[in-house]
Amino acid sequence: NAGVTQTPKFRILKIGQSMTLQCAQDMNHNYMYWYRQDPGMGLKLIYYSVGAGITDKGEVPNGYNVSRSTTEYFPLRLELAAPSQTSVYFCASSYPQGHEQFFGPGTRLTVL
Amino acid sequence: GQNIDQPTEMTATEGAIVQINCTYQTSGFNGLFWYQQHAGEAPTFLSYNVLDGLEEKGRFSSFLSRSKGYSYLLLKELQMKDSASYLCAVRESTGNTPLVFGKGTRLSVIA
Repeated sequence: NAGVTQTPKFRILKIGQSMTLQCAQDMNHNYMYWYRQDPGMGLKLIYYSVGAGITDKGEVPNGYNVSRSTTEYFPLRLELAAPSQTSVYFCASSYPQGHEQFFGPGTRLTVL
Repeated sequence: GQNIDQPTEMTATEGAIVQINCTYQTSGFNGLFWYQQHAGEAPTFLSYNVLDGLEEKGRFSSFLSRSKGYSYLLLKELQMKDSASYLCAVRESTGNTPLVFGKGTRLSVIA
């Protein structure tokens, strides 16, 4: 089991560029989440999904989009990168009735 | 609204005991979680409380008082590897709804 994997590990973008952060899990978890973590701050939920074809906004969804066509993959799309999106992005997954969220290693994104 | 408060930083000595407090004011409550996060790494699950009382797991224990909106994480026999951030998170409703995280407490263990 690879668990939750994320690519890339690091990325530098210019203002206005777009990119997709990839997230995959091999635990057959129905629930998947995207968080961002700014320095010295907790995790803020961007989007989440309770199953393939279903997505919902979290606390800070502006500037991001997601899709969930399969159970395994939950990519996060940034269309017009802005300096405010400089952060570390974590993807996580869990069972519907589980207590534990399993986190990926994170993607460190810098927008200049 | 949601409000989860924890101290920003704490320092403790190797071998000692430290208690990290978390208070919460949320619209609902269906469980409190503690996660450990080493610098530059992903959070990892430590404990879960949904009923009042103490849950013990090795050197780590977590306590919950729902009437007071209060939890603490107790770390015993501190080791240098326990230096990390500790995140308190609350689930506000039933089902696997997303967690609301506090800002975390950065613990430094010194010799």
